[in-house]
Amino acid sequence: GEDVEQSLFLSVREGDSSVINCTYTDSSSTYLYWYKQEPGAGLQLLTYIFSNMDMKQDQRLTVLLNKKDKHLSLRIADTQTGDSAIYFCAVDPYGGSQGNLIFGKGTKLSVKP
Amino acid sequence: DAGVIQSPRHEVTEMGQEVTLRCKPISGHDYLFWYRQTMMRGLELLIYFNNNVPIDDSGMPEDRFSAKMPNASFSTLKIQPSEPRDSAVYFCASSPSGGGTGEQYFGPGTRLTVT
Repeated sequence: GEDVEQSLFLSVREGDSSVINCTYTDSSSTYLYWYKQEPGAGLQLLTYIFSNMDMKQDQRLTVLLNKKDKHLSLRIADTQTGDSAIYFCAVDPYGGSQGNLIFGKGTKLSVKP
Repeated sequence: DAGVIQSPRHEVTEMGQEVTLRCKPISGHDYLFWYRQTMMRGLELLIYFNNNVPIDDSGMPEDRFSAKMPNASFSTLKIQPSEPRDSAVYFCASSPSGGGTGEQYFGPGTRLTVT
């Protein structure tokens, strides 16, 4: 079955850029997602990218997709302490036809002042 | 819309007791998902429904777990009897079908502690 891998921890200093990486095994995803989970809360969609795109930029967020290597990354520019959270990569292995997503285990981002 | 609503937010119970978690999805969403999150295993999909019908329950740990969706606006996840290893945060999520980006909207979760 589909597998989504992420590193578990990332620590950066405030003002630096953060890059969170994700690899996946199935290439049939129509959309690929980044979710953010703040302490004590549920997951919230942060951004997503359509599978025929290589890059998507949204303010401080840049998503890069390398379909050949099955690699997805999320770059956060000028990282702030409020960005401290767990970030989940998710893929849609059924091309939107079955509704369920496959999530990675999440990367805990710690931002030091 | 108020988003996905879950109740209770926190539940503490003793081993052997029955626990019922509740979820109200976003109105108009056709898919409903139940997840469990622990430090050890991360986010696990337990079961999901489409138009109130269970589609995949392969993630349900064992027969002690059951889920129902009697109508489009309500679902329950029941654990009977509960065990300490069931302690986790349980999330409900909903998603609209067809034509969208497939994103799921999560509730705030129910933190379950079984002593």
